[in-house]
Amino acid sequence: DQQVKQNSPSLSVQEGRISILNCDYTNSMFDYFLWYKKYPAEGPTFLISISSIKDKNEDGRFTVFLNKSAKHLSLHIVPSQPGDSAVYFCAALVSGYALNFGKGTSLLVTP
Amino acid sequence: KAGVTQTPRYLIKTRGQQVTLSCSPISGHRSVSWYQQTPGQGLQFLFEYFSETQRNKGNFPGRFSGRQFSNSRSEMNVSTLELGDSALYLCASSPGEVEAGELFFGEGSRLTVL
Repeated sequence: DQQVKQNSPSLSVQEGRISILNCDYTNSMFDYFLWYKKYPAEGPTFLISISSIKDKNEDGRFTVFLNKSAKHLSLHIVPSQPGDSAVYFCAALVSGYALNFGKGTSLLVTP
Repeated sequence: KAGVTQTPRYLIKTRGQQVTLSCSPISGHRSVSWYQQTPGQGLQFLFEYFSETQRNKGNFPGRFSGRQFSNSRSEMNVSTLELGDSALYLCASSPGEVEAGELFFGEGSRLTVL
């Protein structure tokens, strides 16, 4: 039962434009939501997170928005750079339990 | 500080065999989690160990097992391998309680079952 869903397997964006990656979830008990980034032949690396009590968290070019009523979160990357090309995983957890990951969205940023 | 180390990085097995994968967490980290990554299913949680005790377990059959040693190193074992077990197996560590979700992943062990 997939509790975290990323419905777009891939996304292509031009360099300098905004990338918006979306994620939906079904479990209203989730405390934290995170985004991980994965390059080929490497393990995922933590990118940014947001607590369920907030609706926005920003870190440089990366901003995560949380809409609890819609059970939806999104990651905005502005401006997008070719080095951002990777697979992005949305994840969520209830404190003390395991991280639930989505299936990932492959982002390609073209020059 | 050394990162999470997984061995072996690549291995090929045949159906029916068994395999053991090893993970050394970041020094001082006491929690180790294992995930299976396949193209169609993304990252699926296998189990998590904290201070040598299995704290959480995912929905995998009993052929998948793991353990953690007193030095926090962990192993996972898959018995009676099936073709569908071909995947990237990722280990991740964290200092203690998986509260805020920030895990540190290794590069993974790529298992191919023929």
